[in-house]
Amino acid sequence: AQKITQTQPGMFVQEKEAVTLDCTYDTSDPSYGLFWYKQPSSGEMIFLIYQGSYDQQNATEGRYSLNFQKARKSANLVISASQLGDSAMYFCAMREGWAKLIFGTGTLLAVQP
Amino acid sequence: EAGVVQSPRYKIIEKKQPVAFWCNPISGHNTLYWYLQNLGQGPELLIRYENEEAVDDSQLPKDRFSAERLKGVDSTLKIQPAELGDSAVYLCASSLARAGELFFGEGSRLTVL
Repeated sequence: AQKITQTQPGMFVQEKEAVTLDCTYDTSDPSYGLFWYKQPSSGEMIFLIYQGSYDQQNATEGRYSLNFQKARKSANLVISASQLGDSAMYFCAMREGWAKLIFGTGTLLAVQP
Repeated sequence: EAGVVQSPRYKIIEKKQPVAFWCNPISGHNTLYWYLQNLGQGPELLIRYENEEAVDDSQLPKDRFSAERLKGVDSTLKIQPAELGDSAVYLCASSLARAGELFFGEGSRLTVL
């Protein structure tokens, strides 16, 4: 069974608009962490934001925020005021306890001028 | 602070040839990971080290893949012999603690002809 599901293979957004990238996860472990990474065409995976399962508030990092809905097991990434440099692949990932980080299949975001 | 350094960035070999990838993690990071990323997919863990010890190598195809992390710093991933299906990007990552976010290198792109 898929642990991490990203249902949007590709997304378009206009520059300066906000965009939401979807991520749902599946776990029975009460302790887990959720991560979002950005992978530009250069190939490097860049850490964006982290949400712990016990965190009461949604994580935010600059223009990135994580819409964490625990009951629905979703951890959507919201990018506000999109910039051309935001065009990249975005991966959602989960860690259960101390276990390995498991990645979704990614969403390719294209920001249009 | 220097990031995770990988080499070579690109490697083209013929099938049945050996190949090796090298990774230098961020200074002080005890945990080191090797991930495999196929085209259009998210990264998948091959092996994880805590210092010199391989604590999770369940996904490493041990008949042809090997890895080592001497002295708990640099690591080498080797494939011998390479097969056509090994064409992929091999990502190295490190983290300060096993629960921390992963910092990735730019990856080594392997093409097997």
